[in-house]
Amino acid sequence: DIQMTQSPSSLSASVGDRVTITCRASQDISTSLGWFQQKPGKAPQSLIYGASSLQSGVPSKFSGSGSGTDFTLTISSLQPEDFATYYCQQYKSFPLTFGGGTKVEIK
Amino acid sequence: EVELVESGGGLVQPGGSLRLSCATSGFTFSDHYMDWVRQAPGKGLEWVARSRDKARRYTTEYAASVKGRFTISRDDSKTSLYLQMNSLKSEDTAVYYCARVADYSYHFDYWGQGTLVTVSS
Repeated sequence: DIQMTQSPSSLSASVGDRVTITCRASQDISTSLGWFQQKPGKAPQSLIYGASSLQSGVPSKFSGSGSGTDFTLTISSLQPEDFATYYCQQYKSFPLTFGGGTKVEIK
Repeated sequence: EVELVESGGGLVQPGGSLRLSCATSGFTFSDHYMDWVRQAPGKGLEWVARSRDKARRYTTEYAASVKGRFTISRDDSKTSLYLQMNSLKSEDTAVYYCARVADYSYHFDYWGQGTLVTVSS
């Protein structure tokens, strides 16, 4: 199985900050990576697919990069609605696997 | 507008069975792979199962943790996805989401709101 390791597991940031979350795969997954945002009590929502493509309707403050084993999600200017938990997920091979999540909290 | 609505969750005793449904609308269901993903209380996301489309002969994939106990199926005429869960264990307690797989990639582009399954005596 491909292990997905996210870091940090949590972070505190202020409105307006630039935030970067990293995700590392235990083996090469090319660009078969997605990022999701989940707010408490709600379903996950797709942000990024193909490591760097923005899901339709998602604001451009979200961006993704990377290929192979190392990936990043960047939020250019954190807004109050962005405080949530973020997950990466590989869809290169089965079983599909998710990172452990990064909780972004208000400083 | 794409919509996925899960139902069928509830309280079940260990060893029992439950059938989840995911009713969909707003897209051509038969063209898409569909998956189930679960989330135990306070925990992260865990992929459960996949159903491919008719073109791929409705083939399926399962997580090791549910293989042999859960069965994913679909009814294209009813634009619905199902998850039959047998021999339930306490560790199956979770919110179960159905998710659509994008037909231009293989990522999850839409999710339902989830249905809670609690396995407890």
